[in-house]
Amino acid sequence: DSGVTQTPKHLITATGQRVTLRCSPRSGDLSVYWYQQSLDQGLQFLIQYYNGEERAKGNILERFSAQQFPDLHSELNLSSLELGDSALYFCASSPRWENSPLHFGNGTRLTVT
Amino acid sequence: KNEVEQSPQNLTAQEGEFITINCSYSVGISALHWLQQHPGGGIVSLFMLSSGKKKHGRLIATINIQEKHSSLHITASHPRDSAVYICAVRSAYNDMRFGAGTRLTVKP
Repeated sequence: DSGVTQTPKHLITATGQRVTLRCSPRSGDLSVYWYQQSLDQGLQFLIQYYNGEERAKGNILERFSAQQFPDLHSELNLSSLELGDSALYFCASSPRWENSPLHFGNGTRLTVT
Repeated sequence: KNEVEQSPQNLTAQEGEFITINCSYSVGISALHWLQQHPGGGIVSLFMLSSGKKKHGRLIATINIQEKHSSLHITASHPRDSAVYICAVRSAYNDMRFGAGTRLTVKP
């Protein structure tokens, strides 16, 4: 058990809708990372937050947004969903903002129909 | 060309064999991670390296910063090592970039 909790485990929704994915980091970890894993593109880094502030940005679409709250949990909001957004979304946490080991959650499987 | 290249893409080994997976990258990095993803989908971080060599049980990871190359070795491989192994780098731009993964199958 990594100590990172992601909810929900599965999500099925329709095109055009909006969903929120939630991540609770391991106790004591200040950094939260979001990743997308689709069949055709592999793992992609979306965004990192450290202690409530955005620290690094990857291939995150404008339709997607994230935030980290004072209790350090994070949410990834996906809007105007398209079929191509169907993927596994992973959250990871680490103690520091860079160069520390990552602890992954079990992922949220999003299916857009 | 992908900035993080892994080889081989697929690897089949017999139980007990010594296994090497390679990762080459073309960007400046501050750290390199080796990840393991099991068929169920969960991801486990095996190593984080910024220089030298690390060992954990039967797994050894090395990195050569000058040559922009890292290797993951598994000694005395076992069927439970069957998984996808992914190399990931934290670039100088602070984002993370991933290799396509190496699918390892270890047969009893």
